[in-house]
Amino acid sequence: QQQVKQSPQSLIVQKGGIPIINCAYENTAFDYFPWYQQFPGKGPALLIAIRPDVSEKKEGRFTISFNKSAKQFSLHIMDSQPGDSATYFCAASPSGTYYNQGGKLIFGQGTELSVKP
Amino acid sequence: DTAVSQTPKYLVTQMGNDKSIKCEQNLGHDTMYWYKQDSKKFLKIMFSYNNKELIINETVPNRFSPKSPDKAHLNLHINSLELGDSAVYFCASSQVYGGGYTGELFFGEGSRLTVL
Repeated sequence: QQQVKQSPQSLIVQKGGIPIINCAYENTAFDYFPWYQQFPGKGPALLIAIRPDVSEKKEGRFTISFNKSAKQFSLHIMDSQPGDSATYFCAASPSGTYYNQGGKLIFGQGTELSVKP
Repeated sequence: DTAVSQTPKYLVTQMGNDKSIKCEQNLGHDTMYWYKQDSKKFLKIMFSYNNKELIINETVPNRFSPKSPDKAHLNLHINSLELGDSAVYFCASSQVYGGGYTGELFFGEGSRLTVL
């Protein structure tokens, strides 16, 4: 119930393509869904996040689509660039304050994205 | 000016040894974390501290002992190192807002531990 399942494990697209990474969860107590981007040798950094009261959020070339009934969410990268090559992690956090483990991020397994020039 | 800094970046040591990783954040956040990233890049929370108080302890072996001398520092001491402890350990911090909800996590660059 505490898991977040992410697919695919790896993805190769051409420059300008639209890679899509999917995540699914079981725990209905999750109410915060961020995506983190990690470059080799660096720590993960927040890319974009969504709460379940909206079905889509867009920031620049990055869009999260959220399907609450299916308990799934996905990341779309428009007009992908070689500089987007990185590992992407979806995550989910249970609702509540830090007293009952709010802020505890459960990460997906990661997707290694390679954007070819 | 690094927001979350960890030292050392690399540790290579023998089984059975004890080692420590230090973490400092200059963001003024009141919550700090340790995450472990294994060889398959899976990230898992180990501990979180809020204002020096342990909040989350994710069934980590008691060979791992975090210590937070103040809200800007969170160290991780590991006793009797085992082969399976080899991983990248990330420190992170976040701010707790009104109502106790936490914001974005800011990660350090990681400390790669190799146990031989």
